[in-house]
Amino acid sequence: TQLLEQSPQFLSIQEGENLTVYCNSSSVFSSLQWYRQEPGEGPVLLVTVVTGGEVKKLKRLTFQFGDARKDSSLHITAAQPGDTGLYLCAGTSGTYKYIFGTGTRLKVLA
Amino acid sequence: NAGVTQTPKFRVLKTGQSMTLLCAQDMNHEYMYWYRQDPGMGLRLIHYSVGEGTTAKGEVPDGYNVSRLKKQNFLLGLESAAPSQTSVYFCASSYSMLTVDGYTFGSGTRLTVV
Repeated sequence: TQLLEQSPQFLSIQEGENLTVYCNSSSVFSSLQWYRQEPGEGPVLLVTVVTGGEVKKLKRLTFQFGDARKDSSLHITAAQPGDTGLYLCAGTSGTYKYIFGTGTRLKVLA
Repeated sequence: NAGVTQTPKFRVLKTGQSMTLLCAQDMNHEYMYWYRQDPGMGLRLIHYSVGEGTTAKGEVPDGYNVSRLKKQNFLLGLESAAPSQTSVYFCASSYSMLTVDGYTFGSGTRLTVV
């Protein structure tokens, strides 16, 4: 059973467009993290959200944790080719060990 | 650069051969992990360690063994490689399993078993 479902699975957009990717669960998470993985590399932590309703901004990236701490979103404004990669959410829920979402593969075309 | 170092980066094995993947971290992290990443399956935990001399099974441990003789090193062994073990393997480390600081990953080992 996959506790963290991400959508969409794949996204191909033009440079300058905005996009939102989602991370959803039926379980409550104590915290959620977002990673970006570039081709041939390991995932790199972008941000951690802890409090329900929390919003964090990292330059053109905006992360939100749902009020009930069951979901999270990542919004990218004016996407650039350098944003291309696999975006993963991850977190811990109840007795489950740290788990990763299924990932959203983003391609930004110049 | 500080972080997690994995060797080798690429390897091709014949079915039945054995090999060891090496992972080293210089952040004094207690926790270390081995994951495999397959298309459509995400990152799956193979084994992990909560400290020097300890190991524990993850989600997909069959066919793999691990050892953590020194705090900074975590070794993943395949005793008799199978084609189903073709994957990209990542080592990671952290201060704790439930950390808000996230995991630090190595750059991966791409293993092909033919």
